[in-house]
Amino acid sequence: ETGVTQSPTHLIKTRGQQVTLRCSSQSGHNTVSWYQQALGQGPQFIFQYYREEENGRGNFPPRFSGLQFPNYSSELNVNALELDDSALYLCASSLVGVGYEQYFGPGTRLTVT
Amino acid sequence: GIQVEQSPPDLILQEGANSTLRCNFSDSVNNLQWFHQNPWGQLINLFYIPSGTKQNGRLSATTVATERYSLLYISSSQTTDSGVYFCAGDYNQGGKLIFGQGTELSVKP
Repeated sequence: ETGVTQSPTHLIKTRGQQVTLRCSSQSGHNTVSWYQQALGQGPQFIFQYYREEENGRGNFPPRFSGLQFPNYSSELNVNALELDDSALYLCASSLVGVGYEQYFGPGTRLTVT
Repeated sequence: GIQVEQSPPDLILQEGANSTLRCNFSDSVNNLQWFHQNPWGQLINLFYIPSGTKQNGRLSATTVATERYSLLYISSSQTTDSGVYFCAGDYNQGGKLIFGQGTELSVKP
């Protein structure tokens, strides 16, 4: 069984740029959720994708967008990067219909300068 | 909004000691999970415990959903138990977890 993977591990971007983060769900899982974790805080829910459609969104602006692909992998895109976007971005996968236990990937650490 | 409160925020233990971490919810919660965040940031699943009690080695957890709290017990702590422990719950069966602020545990040899 393959766990959740994320790429890249680390990323440095400049304010105003755009970034794409990638996530491969655990084998057999059909739902992907993205979370942002600022330093010293708990993770905050960004959005969830199920059957290639957004299935709920947290309190994040539209410049945070995503995709889910037929193989259930997912991308998180952030446009017009701001300094406050510097954080650890975590992806989690789960299997709808068999509870909602979520399994997290190792994260992508984004630094915006 | 919905609040998840974890206590204590910080805990320092001597190796071999026992500890109890608490998670309180402001509203009814579904799909409660406990995680340990390792130094590299990955969240490691400890328990999926919407209700009742579960045990896994030196760790156990209890959730009393009707009273909106969950407890994580760590017995005979080891230095490798150090890190941040998070609880998180889902309020609408949608799998959208709301996390507490975490308990940072430091186990000294």
